This record gives sequence, C-alpha cells and structure tokens, in this order.
Amino acid sequence: DAGVIQSPRHEVTEMGQEVTLRCKPISGHNSLFWYRQTMMRGLELLIYFNNNVPIDDSGMPEDRFSAKMPNASFSTLKIQPSEPRDSAVYFCASTPGPARRAKNIQYFGAGTRLSVL
Amino acid sequence: AQTVTQSQPEMSVQEAETVTLSCTYDTSESNYYLFWYKQPPSRQMILVIRQEAYKQQNATENRFSVNFQKAAKSFSLKISDSQLGDTAMYFCAFKEVYSGGGADGLTFGKGTHLIIQP
Repeated sequence: DAGVIQSPRHEVTEMGQEVTLRCKPISGHNSLFWYRQTMMRGLELLIYFNNNVPIDDSGMPEDRFSAKMPNASFSTLKIQPSEPRDSAVYFCASTPGPARRAKNIQYFGAGTRLSVL
Repeated sequence: AQTVTQSQPEMSVQEAETVTLSCTYDTSESNYYLFWYKQPPSRQMILVIRQEAYKQQNATENRFSVNFQKAAKSFSLKISDSQLGDTAMYFCAFKEVYSGGGADGLTFGKGTHLIIQP
C-alpha cells in the first residue's frame, strides 16, 4: 500500500496567487481529513469528508479556502487568493470505513509545506 | 469542545534511559480514543500507540506504553530504552468514537519535542 500521497511536497508562491494542494487517500478508505500545522496554532482540522461528502468545514479559516473530493481517490484544497499568513504545513489523512477494525486510526500523508511570499 | 494539553514543550534524555511524556485532556464524552503520534524531522506523522477509553488495560507497543488514568483525564506515554531514532515531536490526540454518521477529526495537543542524547 502506497499510503496517503500528497503533492506537491513544497510550494512557494506569491501573495495573491491561487494555490492547489492535492491528496490521494489510501485505497478503500472512506474518510478524508485536511489539517494545517503552524507554530502558533499547532495542528488544526480544516475539513473532513465522509464517502466524498463534506461533513464538517467549520475549521476552514475563511472563504479563500475551499476543498473538494470529486471521487474516492482524490481531494484538493485550494486557497485563492493566498496570503503570507497561510504559510504552513498542510496534511491530508484518511481512515478506513466503519467495517474495519482500524476505523478510528488516521493515516497521514507527508504534508505540503506552503510558503506564501 | 475537547481540549488536549501537553505541558512539556521540550524534554531531553540520554540514550537508553526511560522517558515519560505527559498529556491531559478535557471532554464530557465517556467513550473516546486517545493517540500518540510521532513527527520526526521528515515531517511525517506516525502513529505510535492508541488507547480506547472503555478498555482499562493500558496499551503497549514494544518499547512504548501508556498510563491511562480516565478519572484524572491523563494519558502519558512512556518510552523505554530510548534510542536516537526516537528524537521527534510527539503529539497527543483525542478523538470521539466513530458514530457511523461521520468520522470526527483529531484534536491535538501542542506537542513535546523529545531529544535523545547519545
């Protein structure tokens, strides 16, 4: 199993530009999560999907952030327009469905380090 | 809302020593999961150990074990025979029990930076 795959690994962009982060969950996993990690705020849940449907987006900081999951094997997190305060590491995680014993274990990708100049 | 507190920003021990990382949490739920994740310099988040709140027996995984005190809402991680490769950030995390209607995210503490000295 390849694990959760995130791309790009690093992203450097200028303020005002659109940024798209990508995530491929583990095959067969039903839930997908996006987290943001900063020094000041630590790890925060932004949004999660269950069976491709957004369940809770209360952690999304503002309207500049949007996330989609068009199918079970792909999700995107988009920031438009980006700002320097969006600089952080963004993690994607997935978890198996309710029938699996490991249903409450979240498996993380390697993260995308975003720098907005 | 649940909160998770890790009161030790940084700890340093000698190789082969035993070290304990502290974590406390606050919740009104009676059933939940607790986790310790390790984040080495590579940035990857790695699950170290998991505890289900309804189980009284403390979880163990090789050199890693927990001391789960439900009444005190405490969940400490003990690392025995520490190794240089244990150097990392360690995060304590809380999760409600999966309800079937949706899977809640993890609530993380701020982390403890553990340094193993040779």
